[in-house]
Amino acid sequence: DIQMTQSPSSLSASVRDRVTITCRASQSISTYLNWYQQKPGKAPKLLIFAASSLQSGVPSRFSGSGSGTDFTLTISSLQPEDFATYYCQQTFTTPITFGQGTRLEIK
Amino acid sequence: QVQLVQSGAEVKRPGASVKVSCKASGYTFASYSITWVRQAPGQGLDWMGWISAYNGQTNYAQKLQGRVTMTTDTSTSTAYMELRSLRSDDTAVYYCARGRNEGDYWGQGTLVTVSS
Repeated sequence: DIQMTQSPSSLSASVRDRVTITCRASQSISTYLNWYQQKPGKAPKLLIFAASSLQSGVPSRFSGSGSGTDFTLTISSLQPEDFATYYCQQTFTTPITFGQGTRLEIK
Repeated sequence: QVQLVQSGAEVKRPGASVKVSCKASGYTFASYSITWVRQAPGQGLDWMGWISAYNGQTNYAQKLQGRVTMTTDTSTSTAYMELRSLRSDDTAVYYCARGRNEGDYWGQGTLVTVSS
């Protein structure tokens, strides 16, 4: 199985900060990488698909980059509603696997 | 608008089975696969597998092989996930999502509690 490792596991930041979350795959996955946001008690929400494509309706402050084994999710200017847990997901091969999550908290 | 509406919470004894439904609306059901993902309390996301709503083809997580069955009813645009021989570590919120790869729409989740 492909292991997905996110860093950091948790992060404290302030409104208007620029934040970057990293996801590393245990083998090359090309750009078969998605990012999700999850708030407590809610279903995950797709933010970025195919490593860098912004899902319809998602604010442009979210962006994704990377290919192969190393990927990043960047939030250019944090807003209060962005405090949540973020997951990366590889869809290169089954079993599809997720990172362990990055909890983004208010400083 | 696209919606996936799941069935309500369940409490089951160890060894029992559970069947969770996911009713789709707002799009052509047969045009997309349905993926199932679960999340144990306080834990991350765990992929269970997917089913094509077009032809019923399935792809299950190896660790669930033999215990899980995913089906669809195209007449009601509903997907089902049945999990058998439940154990305490199957306690989780179970989600359905539209799509085989990126899940662009998700159900609200169904809490399944396995407890004696």
